[in-house]
Amino acid sequence: EPEVTQTPSHQVTQMGQEVILRCVPISNHLYFYWYRQILGQKVEFLVSFYNNEISEKSEIFDDQFSVERPDGSNFTLKIRSTKLEDSAMYFCASSYQGNEQFFGPGTRLTVL
Amino acid sequence: DQQVKQNSPSLSVQEGRISILNCDYTNSMFDYFLWYKKYPAEGPTFLISISSIKDKNEDGRFTVFLNKSAKHLSLHIVPSQPGDSAVYFCAAWNFGNEKLTFGTGTRLTIIP
Repeated sequence: EPEVTQTPSHQVTQMGQEVILRCVPISNHLYFYWYRQILGQKVEFLVSFYNNEISEKSEIFDDQFSVERPDGSNFTLKIRSTKLEDSAMYFCASSYQGNEQFFGPGTRLTVL
Repeated sequence: DQQVKQNSPSLSVQEGRISILNCDYTNSMFDYFLWYKKYPAEGPTFLISISSIKDKNEDGRFTVFLNKSAKHLSLHIVPSQPGDSAVYFCAAWNFGNEKLTFGTGTRLTIIP
């Protein structure tokens, strides 16, 4: 069964450093998303991407964040200058129609 | 933003019995509701969904009920199995708004 994959599974970085989280969505899906979950809190929407552009973003998704779909398969989330509060599990998701979204296993980001 | 609420943080059920997980929402514009299951250090796994025009959807051991007038949905698992032990999230979505809005989750423990 097709699935969303994410790399790396765990990323440790120093505050102020740039990180890139990578995702390979399900191949025939058209909508792509990033969510995050801070430990003990709910899963929060960050950004959605459709037709090669951002279609919606949350207040969390400020100028430090960017997304890219550099080729036909990868979908990346970049955080330019990480802060301690960016430590969280980051989940990529994809969907064919937008409603049923399928999630990857997540990347645990630890900012020291 | 508490548009989707799961008021029970945890639930314990005997193996073989019915598990009932509840979710309330405040936004009557939601068109679609989903249940996800999540194990520690993994991404949410899609379980079952329901459109707002329906009141019931069934898939094997899982049934979701929607009561629009009460703005309430529930997930029934019967019979419950030890592998069902996980955190369950309800989520909501509406056309024109890309994101899923998640509840805070209910930790289900199945007692053998």
